[in-house]
Amino acid sequence: EAGVAQSPRYKIIEKRQSVAFWCNPISGHATLYWYQQILGQGPKLLIQFQNNGVVDDSQLPKDRFSAERLKGVDSTLKIQPAKLEDSAVYLCASSLRGGLADTQYFGPGTRLTVL
Amino acid sequence: ELKVEQNPLFLSMQEGKNYTIYCNYSTTSDRLYWYRQDPGKSLESLFVLLSNGAVKQEGRLMASLDTKARLSTLHITAAVHDLSATYFCAVDMYSGGGADGLTFGKGTHLIIQP
Repeated sequence: EAGVAQSPRYKIIEKRQSVAFWCNPISGHATLYWYQQILGQGPKLLIQFQNNGVVDDSQLPKDRFSAERLKGVDSTLKIQPAKLEDSAVYLCASSLRGGLADTQYFGPGTRLTVL
Repeated sequence: ELKVEQNPLFLSMQEGKNYTIYCNYSTTSDRLYWYRQDPGKSLESLFVLLSNGAVKQEGRLMASLDTKARLSTLHITAAVHDLSATYFCAVDMYSGGGADGLTFGKGTHLIIQP
């Protein structure tokens, strides 16, 4: 079974620029999550989708971050404008149903460096 | 706000030894997860613990959950070099309902030396 796919794997931008990340979850998984992992820390949830609806975005910095999941499959996460403190690995995860303690499977991540 | 604390944060041990990693969390939850992360890699699911007293074992790793004490342990038996990695515990922030995002600890960086 194919895992969670993410692209790009690496991205370097200057502060105040915009950037977008893409995620394709495991086939058939209804729930998709975006996490931010700063070096030396555990991942922090940014947003959770159930199909194409947002379930939880309470920790998403909405002044600069946005995310969408059109058609309930792929998702994009955007940062506009980026700040130095946004340098991190952005992890996408998916689970079969969500809300039912299903295992969350993580993708390889996108490493963002903001200069 | 849910807080998840792991200790130790760094652990260097010899092959063949036993050790335990502890995970404490601050609010009621009966859903706890353990993940492994190798350097430069993503997270790999190890265990999902869903009730008080739950115990799961896979090879040399055994995880348990005490929801009353808000404590989970990850026990390593007769460690081998291949177990060197960073181990994270994570707790379901909502423990029910549609939202089930995880709050992670800072991770335990484990080095196993020959």
